[in-house]
Amino acid sequence: DGGITQSPKYLFRKEGQNVTLSCEQNLNHDAMYWYRQDPGQGLRLIYYSQIVNDFQKGDIAEGYSVSREKKESFPLTVTSAQKNPTAFYLCASQHGGTDTQYFGPGTRLTVL
Amino acid sequence: DQQVKQNSPSLSVQEGRISILNCDYTNSMFDYFLWYKKYPAEGPTFLISISSIKDKNEDGRFTVFLNKSAKHLSLHIVPSQPGDSAVYFCAASPTGTASKLTFGTGTRLQVTL
Repeated sequence: DGGITQSPKYLFRKEGQNVTLSCEQNLNHDAMYWYRQDPGQGLRLIYYSQIVNDFQKGDIAEGYSVSREKKESFPLTVTSAQKNPTAFYLCASQHGGTDTQYFGPGTRLTVL
Repeated sequence: DQQVKQNSPSLSVQEGRISILNCDYTNSMFDYFLWYKKYPAEGPTFLISISSIKDKNEDGRFTVFLNKSAKHLSLHIVPSQPGDSAVYFCAASPTGTASKLTFGTGTRLQVTL
């Protein structure tokens, strides 16, 4: 049963703590992406990776970090430097350059 | 700077009628466009796409129209069904592929009985 999993679905953290969001895919996709969605806004690209051990900043990378040590996994760390971390975070993957992006179910992060 | 705009935050349509969702873009480098459907607290699901070499693409009840000179695209859903009620996002890419997507702010479609 192929797909993209994100865990957990809901995450609460205290202000000032780093937190890592998980994204795993078993679709054998090369590219993976992280977006955030805020109320009334579209999805904004945080980071993306087109191959293992390589990643690029998206439009709003400040306060976030990623790693891509395995093809299947692309974890996102929300650091204490991120000014407004409370949001809905979406991970996506893509097989080739012409294929569409497929999204995971998302993680809602709330920083208290 | 909103490069992809969906100016209607919401739309209500009766079941069986046509739903028309609109999207405008400002970046002339965009040449690949997609529509995604999203339910609350879930990830978006891909609906349909179109490249700039076409002006229309159809898939079942869904048709996307692209007017490059006006930098405008629209999604037509015919006939609309209650299960179509969701938020629809328009997305655009400058690479000719589904990479580096820029999303609009979404339009909430409600299909009423």
